[in-house]
Amino acid sequence: DAGITQSPRHKVTETGTPVTLRCHQTENHRYMYWYRQDPGHGLRLIHYSYGVKDTDKGEVSDGYSVSRSKTEDFLLTLESATSSQTSVYFCAISETSGRETQYFGPGTRLLVL
Amino acid sequence: SQQGEEDPQALSIQEGENATMNCSYKTSINNLQWYRQNSGRGLVHLILIRSNEREKHSGRLRVTLDTSKKSSSLLITASRAADTASYFCAPAYSGAGSYQLTFGKGTKLSVIP
Repeated sequence: DAGITQSPRHKVTETGTPVTLRCHQTENHRYMYWYRQDPGHGLRLIHYSYGVKDTDKGEVSDGYSVSRSKTEDFLLTLESATSSQTSVYFCAISETSGRETQYFGPGTRLLVL
Repeated sequence: SQQGEEDPQALSIQEGENATMNCSYKTSINNLQWYRQNSGRGLVHLILIRSNEREKHSGRLRVTLDTSKKSSSLLITASRAADTASYFCAPAYSGAGSYQLTFGKGTKLSVIP
């Protein structure tokens, strides 16, 4: 696996609470991505980053925010978790462009009660 | 949505047989990628084929691309039980500002020993 870790790996939280997921890479890749994976929907892009402090929205960004203050860390925050945000969240990185090979982290399984 | 669409959604074969999965997409691409996901794990990149290529091989994998039909196929020869996984195609669309891959919903392959 590429040097990508996600934390936590599993989390159970209650509706209305804020949640932050962390993606950490040791590859010094420029591009980082947050996806969510749900049955029947495949992988959907939430937000991505193309450099430190440079981020943009993906297909399903409502209710999520991101920050990237260092090359190696990309944080995903659910500002007020809802049950519809129960999902498996994957972080990915790519070196040169979002169109090139992406390397995925192991995923975070989030349950919002 | 601009995601690729895999066909079939599920495929079950005997060990030793070949498995073929297809992907269709909508507009012009820079490249098309295939990924594998074992149950509960992150996606793993298998192969990338560029828009000016027609066929590419990697071990037991063979990918073809027909840009006139906007379709690709992934062939796994002499399948093994360890090939049991979901397989996703991800078209990388052309155009300025296209930093993203768009993943389909996947083909779930079961290889029966």
